[in-house]
Amino acid sequence: GAGVSQTPSNKVTEKGKYVELRCDPISGHTALYWYRQSLGQGPEFLIYFQGTGAADDSGLPNDRFFAVRPEGSVSTLKIQRTERGDSAVYLCASSSGQGGTGELFFGEGSRLTVL
Amino acid sequence: GENVEQHPSTLSVQEGDSAVIKCTYSDSASNYFPWYKQELGKRPQLIIDIRSNVGEKKDQRIAVTLNKTAKHFSLHITETQPEDSAVYFCAALRDDKIIFGKGTRLHILP
Repeated sequence: GAGVSQTPSNKVTEKGKYVELRCDPISGHTALYWYRQSLGQGPEFLIYFQGTGAADDSGLPNDRFFAVRPEGSVSTLKIQRTERGDSAVYLCASSSGQGGTGELFFGEGSRLTVL
Repeated sequence: GENVEQHPSTLSVQEGDSAVIKCTYSDSASNYFPWYKQELGKRPQLIIDIRSNVGEKKDQRIAVTLNKTAKHFSLHITETQPEDSAVYFCAALRDDKIIFGKGTRLHILP
């Protein structure tokens, strides 16, 4: 596709459930980022992939959060035992640059609501 | 780790006037500073960026200045237009991570 694609666009779940959010980056982009954006806040860094490996996962809030990118393209953010505080828009971005200095192309985001 | 502070959180300017948004960063090793614009319900998009070896960069009505000594950088928008209304985020790069400020909501008044 022409841009970064994220699915689902909206997800409503109950507290304690497991959720997967998918990101399909721009073809050929080696760098992939996950951010979380709460209402009225800036994007909060979660994890960065360069190729298949997680180059930096220091932003993941706790061990309920995990992300994979097994073939260096599509990435999945996985959240276990969801809590109400996990409600936010989860943004994925990809970039052709190494080391973060390329433009980040964001997807439309996945809005997660935990009831 | 890097911390980016941004102010003001909200800014209202008359159409045609200039707008200035200011950011500070904490890590002197940060070397790349992009600015993103997010319109209501849309994704953030890059509008301008500056690297640490440059003090100023301009692109039409938008300019960014960087003071490495003070660890300050600013976005300047001149001759503001209604379509400039949006939330603007500054950011800094450290160790391959882009860290964003909390954003400035810019209102352009008719």
